Amino acid sequence: AQSVTQLGSHVSVSEGALVLLRCNYSSSVPPYLFWYVQYPNQGLQLLLKYTTGATLVKGINGFEAEFKKSETSFHLTKPSAHMSDAAEYFCAVSDRGSSNTGKLIFGQGTTLQVKP
Amino acid sequence: EPEVTQTPSHQVTQMGQEVILRCVPISNHLYFYWYRQILGQKVEFLVSFYNNEISEKSEIFDDQFSVERPDGSNFTLKIRSTKLEDSAMYFCASSEKWSGISYEQYFGPGTRLTVT
Repeated sequence: AQSVTQLGSHVSVSEGALVLLRCNYSSSVPPYLFWYVQYPNQGLQLLLKYTTGATLVKGINGFEAEFKKSETSFHLTKPSAHMSDAAEYFCAVSDRGSSNTGKLIFGQGTTLQVKP
Repeated sequence: EPEVTQTPSHQVTQMGQEVILRCVPISNHLYFYWYRQILGQKVEFLVSFYNNEISEKSEIFDDQFSVERPDGSNFTLKIRSTKLEDSAMYFCASSEKWSGISYEQYFGPGTRLTVT
């Protein structure tokens, strides 16, 4: 069965530093790939997604992610962290194919702490 | 901007009681989902719903759970006889469509269910 692994449940960076949040999926057929962010007491908000085309995708708030098929990865990056980026980040996948009902499979989440 | 809303934000119930969690998806959306997140664990898929029927459900979604779209706006999750292990944050999500590059699920803020 499809699974998603996010390496590191907590990541701490200094303001202005590079943010790198890691995500790997397990399936041999690349799924659709998503990153969601959850701020305290709010729902999940889509940051970016990869479905087809260019493997480097840009999202909101300066985040981007690169799909690497050979590494089964979809790591999330941001060149310069801002205090407002502190939140929980979830990687999620959805299988391709006509039988897909849209079910999202989530990783366990990574809490990003940004230090001043 | 349109958003998914959920009520109540927090529900406390006694074991064995029935609860109904309510969601109002975005108005032109056709696909509806419920997910849950037990404290400290992953967000887990429960069920997807389209064209007034369940399109997929997880093994978590047993006979104690049901979903309904009773009118043109609400989407509900009912748990018939709650157990302690049903305590979790329940997220509703909706999507306009689920094909091609139009993959985006919009999440509500969640209902925290506490079973005592």
